[in-house]
Amino acid sequence: QKEVEQNSGPLSVPEGAIASLNCTYSDRVSQSFFWYRQYSGKSPELIMSIYSNGDKEDGRFTAQLNKASQYVSLLIRDSQPSDSATYLCAVTDTGRRALTFGSGTRLQVQP
Amino acid sequence: KAGVTQTPRYLIKTRGQQVTLSCSPISGHRSVSWYQQTPGQGLQFLFEYFSETQRNKGNFPGRFSGRQFSNSRSEMNVSTLELGDSALYLCASSQGQGFTEAFFGQGTRLTVV
Repeated sequence: QKEVEQNSGPLSVPEGAIASLNCTYSDRVSQSFFWYRQYSGKSPELIMSIYSNGDKEDGRFTAQLNKASQYVSLLIRDSQPSDSATYLCAVTDTGRRALTFGSGTRLQVQP
Repeated sequence: KAGVTQTPRYLIKTRGQQVTLSCSPISGHRSVSWYQQTPGQGLQFLFEYFSETQRNKGNFPGRFSGRQFSNSRSEMNVSTLELGDSALYLCASSQGQGFTEAFFGQGTRLTVV
């Protein structure tokens, strides 16, 4: 069974701080990794994708991938109350063409 | 560029009935995937279609089926509805060659009573 593990939280950080969200996966053939943000009552919104080891930055977001450790993380710099949401980690391999999601981490940014 | 469009947004059905949900992908995207989201099970993959062919299927009973049309629009059908089928059904659109980024529609909230 392919699994993606996330701490359910809530992760509470003060406004302006760095939020660090973590995800581990069990399937070594996983090749593509995604972070989605989901506000309550809404659908998931893609915020980052990462395919190779290392860091990928996009604005206030940085995704980090370590395939040897089967670990992917998302850093949110200068966290804002509007970042309060559930963050879903998703992985896939090209053969399966399906996303396997973690259960999500609820982030709360305190004003 | 228009996003992924799902209709209807909300549905209330009775046990034993069947339901059809519709998804129009982003223009130019040829792959459509369907997911079920529930509080207990999270997001789970149902099936994926590309060029009118189902390429992959998740671990759901045969009551769940789907199809894709030549214009890439997709429908999924759930027959003999059960209370446990109450969920948010999400459609995701991607370009389809290999695995690329997937973008979700707003979902259809199905309530079975």
